[in-house]
Amino acid sequence: GDSVTQMEGPVTLSEEAFLTINCTYTATGYPSLFWYVQYPGEGLQLLLKATKADDKGSNKGFEATYRKETTSFHLEKGSVQVSDSAVYFCALHSGGYQKVTFGIGTKLQVIP
Amino acid sequence: SAVISQKPSRDICQRGTSLTIQCQVDSQVTMMFWYRQQPGQSLTLIATANQGSEATYESGFVIDKFPISRPNLTFSTLTVSNMSPEDSSIYLCSVFGTVSTDTQYFGPGTRLTVL
Repeated sequence: GDSVTQMEGPVTLSEEAFLTINCTYTATGYPSLFWYVQYPGEGLQLLLKATKADDKGSNKGFEATYRKETTSFHLEKGSVQVSDSAVYFCALHSGGYQKVTFGIGTKLQVIP
Repeated sequence: SAVISQKPSRDICQRGTSLTIQCQVDSQVTMMFWYRQQPGQSLTLIATANQGSEATYESGFVIDKFPISRPNLTFSTLTVSNMSPEDSSIYLCSVFGTVSTDTQYFGPGTRLTVL
């Protein structure tokens, strides 16, 4: 079945540091890939997505590239801010049924 | 996009009691999804609620424990029955977009603590 593996946290960075959160997947077919973010006390919200190989999703300074050859979708940001502190979930959606597989989530803490 | 509200936002309940969580969406949707997010873990799909039919439950979840209602295309409820401390979780309601049909939208969640 489908699966998503992402690095476990927590990840603690200083403000303006470079961020990478690794995500790899296993899926049948050609899934769409997502990063969702969950700020403290809130539900998940879509951060970015990519629907086919070599697509790059980007939003709020975050980027992730759909790499079919390495089955990866790593999240990056060049300079993190304290307001980026949240839990980040990698996810995939494959097949016709609207069912999404989520990774375990990576907690990011950015300190001033 | 879709705007989803949930009630209550949090509750503390006694063992053996039941809690009903409400989910309201600002647009009509065919399917609504209920997830559980246990402390420090990812999301687990509990069931899919279709209007006019019984909910479809995932493996490990049963209707007697998590009865669901779906009276119309914008509203659903999830009841957590005969609660135990193991039911302490965040419960999230979700729908898919009607334009970006592969993108999910989530409610803010209901944080449940069972003593």
